[in-house]
Amino acid sequence: AQTVTQSQPEMSVQEAETVTLSCTYDTSESDYYLFWYKQPPSRQMILVIRQEAYKQQNATENRFSVNFQKAAKSFSLKISDSQLGDAAMYFCAYRTQGGSEKLVFGKGTKLTVNP
Amino acid sequence: GAVVSQHPSWVICKSGTSVKIECRSLDFQATTMFWYRQFPKQSLMLMATSNEGSKATYEQGVEKDKFLINHASLTLSTLTVTSAHPEDSSFYICSARVDRGKWDNEQFFGPGTRLTVL
Repeated sequence: AQTVTQSQPEMSVQEAETVTLSCTYDTSESDYYLFWYKQPPSRQMILVIRQEAYKQQNATENRFSVNFQKAAKSFSLKISDSQLGDAAMYFCAYRTQGGSEKLVFGKGTKLTVNP
Repeated sequence: GAVVSQHPSWVICKSGTSVKIECRSLDFQATTMFWYRQFPKQSLMLMATSNEGSKATYEQGVEKDKFLINHASLTLSTLTVTSAHPEDSSFYICSARVDRGKWDNEQFFGPGTRLTVL
């Protein structure tokens, strides 16, 4: 079974600075997808970024980018120019390609942005 | 686009009663919806996968007779917690899989329903 590990329960960053959230995963599959979801205090889950495992190029979405290291099974999220609105729980997630396509989530990292 | 709603957002019920939670995809059709449960300060745990027009697929350890799922249309799935007890108190979140656009085949989440069983 696939597992997703987020080793940082909490992180903090100063406004306008850059922060990196870590995620590792375990799988025996070669084709899969990885995601970062954001859950602000409203608890609405928001899809931040997606990475297809077969793509070597790291995904980027505006201020959000990932460092995908397939061999190391590592998938970190970098948030640049942090904003107060970035404060939230961030969940790393894994999905198989095809089949049930269900998401497996990590335990989350709580990000605090200090003004 | 890809908006998912849930109703109600918060429900309080007495032990032994049943509660129905609705999940709707507002601007797209969703053949597949998912139901998750989230305990305080914990991650989301998948309860079941709901496919339109067929029986839901439950995850191991989830009681089918307690958590009834109906996906009667391409825009609506319901979760009914039957004979609710205090240990069923939790945050229930649904998601719907989109079938178009930039995030094709990915899940978009509803805002969640907080269930409190007295």
